[in-house]
Amino acid sequence: GAGVSQSPSNKVTEKGKDVELRCDPISGHTALYWYRQSLGQGLEFLIYFQGNSAPDKSGLPSDRFSAERTGGSVSTLTIQRTQQEDSAVYLCASSIGLAYTDTQYFGPGTRLTVL
Amino acid sequence: KNEVEQSPQNLTAQEGEFITINCSYSVGISALHWLQQHPGGGIVSLFMLSSGKKKHGRLIATINIQEKHSSLHITASHPRDSAVYICAVMRGNKLVFGAGTILRVKS
Repeated sequence: GAGVSQSPSNKVTEKGKDVELRCDPISGHTALYWYRQSLGQGLEFLIYFQGNSAPDKSGLPSDRFSAERTGGSVSTLTIQRTQQEDSAVYLCASSIGLAYTDTQYFGPGTRLTVL
Repeated sequence: KNEVEQSPQNLTAQEGEFITINCSYSVGISALHWLQQHPGGGIVSLFMLSSGKKKHGRLIATINIQEKHSSLHITASHPRDSAVYICAVMRGNKLVFGAGTILRVKS
């Protein structure tokens, strides 16, 4: 079956522009996560959605970052007024249910470059 | 000090060697994950552990909750095992990641 898909695979933008990154989780997965992997740094958690519950936004680095998940499926991560330090690979993952008991399946990521 | 520490940072091995990657963490967790990231970026979940030991093919993962330590072992290593191996601990809803171990297996 289809895995987690993300689009675009690459995005180059100018400083100050807004960008939207999309994640399509595995069908039936109720949990969805966004992570960021910056050059030379490890992975960091951004935001977590579980079903209809309020998302855990504790990892978002600033109020320029927001995410939504429509209909419990597709998710969009929006970065407003992009800065050069936002350049990174943005990864989405999904799991069947509870975060601490289920395997997370990762998408291929979106490489964002802010010029 | 990071919540999740991995060692070594870099590891070069000869094909066929037994490999161990270590992960220590400093806080209480609900589960620990081992992930594999190949060049090109794709991440695959290898194991999720909350106690004991798991085995999948040539890969073995163990965890000692009391000592806050986990190990990932690769038996009969092969060049295709070359990748970054990442330890991550589950704290509440989120994964906290180690910096990764870059493994290169030479033929």
